[in-house]
Amino acid sequence: AQSVTQPDIHITVSEGASLELRCNYSYGATPYLFWYVQSPGQGLQLLLKYFSGDTLVQGIKGFEAEFKRSQSSFNLRKPSVHWSDAAEYFCAVGARAGGTSYGKLTFGQGTILTVHP
Amino acid sequence: DARVTQTPRHKVTEMGQEVTMRCQPILGHNTVFWYRQTMMQGLELLAYFRNRAPLDDSGMPKDRFSAEMPDATLATLKIQPSEPRDSAVYFCASGRRDGLSDTQYFGPGTRLTVL
Repeated sequence: AQSVTQPDIHITVSEGASLELRCNYSYGATPYLFWYVQSPGQGLQLLLKYFSGDTLVQGIKGFEAEFKRSQSSFNLRKPSVHWSDAAEYFCAVGARAGGTSYGKLTFGQGTILTVHP
Repeated sequence: DARVTQTPRHKVTEMGQEVTMRCQPILGHNTVFWYRQTMMQGLELLAYFRNRAPLDDSGMPKDRFSAEMPDATLATLKIQPSEPRDSAVYFCASGRRDGLSDTQYFGPGTRLTVL
């Protein structure tokens, strides 16, 4: 069964500092990986996704993530954090077509990001 | 800018009452997912549909919850009777095939409070 672990429940950074949010997954084949962001009182917004090809993927709002198969990781990064990035971030792994779970996402528990001025 | 819409956005009801939540998926999307989010359990998948057919509702309490897609533009999640432990935010997401998997797009959620 697939699973996702986000080791950090809460991260605090200063505005302008760099950011890395960790995500480790468990999946029996090449995974489909996603990062979503949830602002308070809002739904989840897709930041970026990895299906295949270049292991460094660019997303919206200046975020990027790198897929490392050897480490089963898909960490999210941003070089300079803005106060508006304060939110909860979710990593997810999706099942590939051909299996009974195709289309389903398994989410991590989320990482809450606080940004200090 | 196509979006998933959900109604109502907020619902307060009393224990024992029926609750119906509605979702309009993005036009052209053929999968619909219902999630529940709580502080304790995080995001849980309740049920999902592909081409309006239910594929998996194993995450849903069968005795009180039901999910349907009467047509391609409407999905419903019903709780009858509701209980205080059902208080949560319920999200609908719609998806479309993207390569060999789906990309899901979430609605704003329905915040349910059962007194």
